[in-house]
Amino acid sequence: DQQVKQNSPSLSVQEGRISILNCDYTNSMFDYFLWYKKYPAEGPTFLISISSIKDKNEDGRFTVFLNKSAKHLSLHIVPSQPGDSAVYFCAASARGAQKLVFGQGTRLTINP
Amino acid sequence: EAGVAQSPRYKIIEKRQSVAFWCNPISGHATLYWYQQILGQGPKLLIQFQNNGVVDDSQLPKDRFSAERLKGVDSTLKIQPAKLEDSAVYLCASSSQALAGGPEQFFGPGTRLTVL
Repeated sequence: DQQVKQNSPSLSVQEGRISILNCDYTNSMFDYFLWYKKYPAEGPTFLISISSIKDKNEDGRFTVFLNKSAKHLSLHIVPSQPGDSAVYFCAASARGAQKLVFGQGTRLTINP
Repeated sequence: EAGVAQSPRYKIIEKRQSVAFWCNPISGHATLYWYQQILGQGPKLLIQFQNNGVVDDSQLPKDRFSAERLKGVDSTLKIQPAKLEDSAVYLCASSSQALAGGPEQFFGPGTRLTVL
């Protein structure tokens, strides 16, 4: 039972353009969502998060959008840079629990 | 601030052997997690500790996996005996908030286990 899904295993974007990574969830109890970035041979690092009381959160080049009715969130990176090439994981947690449920990840490649 | 430390970084064993992984969380972090990440998948929680007590071990295969967090600081995850399907990266993470929704978790570099 995949409660958090990232349906695109990979995404290729040209440097300077916008990267959009998508994530869908099925559990209506989820109320907090996070994006992690992972380089090879390293652990995931926290990127940005959003609470279910908001529909947008912005941090520099990174913006996360949440559509609760569609149970969908997206991460926008603009402008994309070569250092953004990594695997991005979407994660969710339910109210009162610290446990994170992760999606399968999307490998983002930024082409010069 | 030192990050989450894990050792070893890599381990190769034969099936039916045993193996142990060690994790030292960020100083002061009460909550510690062990995740299993199989190639091509996202991390899956195996066990969560709050101080030295287990909060969630619902996805830990208890017939072969065990974990402890003595003194509420560092932790050890053991597999005995290992199976081929245990080949994965084992990630340790820690967080500082107790029972609050959606706290940021900090991850270690992971241990890549290969079972032959």
